[in-house]
Amino acid sequence: ERVMTQSPATVSVSPGETVTLSCRASPSVGSFLAWSQQKPGQAPRLLIYGASTRATGIPARFSGSGSGTEFALTISSLQSEDSALYFCHQYDNWPPTFGQGTKVEIK
Amino acid sequence: EVQLLESGGGLVQPGGSLRLSCAASGFTFDNYAMNWVRQAPGKGLEWISVVSVYGGATYYKDSVKGRFTISRDNSQSILYLQMNSLTAEDTAVYYCVRGGSSRLYLFDYWGQGTVVTVSS
Repeated sequence: ERVMTQSPATVSVSPGETVTLSCRASPSVGSFLAWSQQKPGQAPRLLIYGASTRATGIPARFSGSGSGTEFALTISSLQSEDSALYFCHQYDNWPPTFGQGTKVEIK
Repeated sequence: EVQLLESGGGLVQPGGSLRLSCAASGFTFDNYAMNWVRQAPGKGLEWISVVSVYGGATYYKDSVKGRFTISRDNSQSILYLQMNSLTAEDTAVYYCVRGGSSRLYLFDYWGQGTVVTVSS
């Protein structure tokens, strides 16, 4: 099965700054990579699919890039409400697999 | 608004059984494949099962094959997961997740989860 590795595990960022999260796939998953956000006690929310397409209602400050084995989620103009766990998952190959997640903390 | 509401979790002894339910609303249920994904304490997310739109096809992670059964009732927009022969390793939060209309495993909407604890 595809192994998804996210880095860093935790990142602390000030409001208004930009942060980039990494997700690595082994082996390649093409562009079948999604990013989701999970806040404590809430259902995860899909942010990005197809590596770079924003899901419905997702603000433009969330952007995704990459293909094959290297992917990134960039959050610009960080807001306090962006404090959450972000995880990637691949849906190219059965079984679908997930990264361990990156926790974004707001300073 | 798409909503997925899981229920049926709880404390069960090793070797016991539970049936989870997921009530769906806000979309045409029988247009989408549905999945169960779980997260054990301190661990990452793990996909465990999918059922096709009319229930004719089901797939399972090897770790639950033969013990868990996924099913759906399209007339009531409910997804089920029958879990038998439970072990401590099945302790987790279980999420009901909608699959994409063209890609089964593009998880676009999630429930809030129901907690299953297997312990004596």
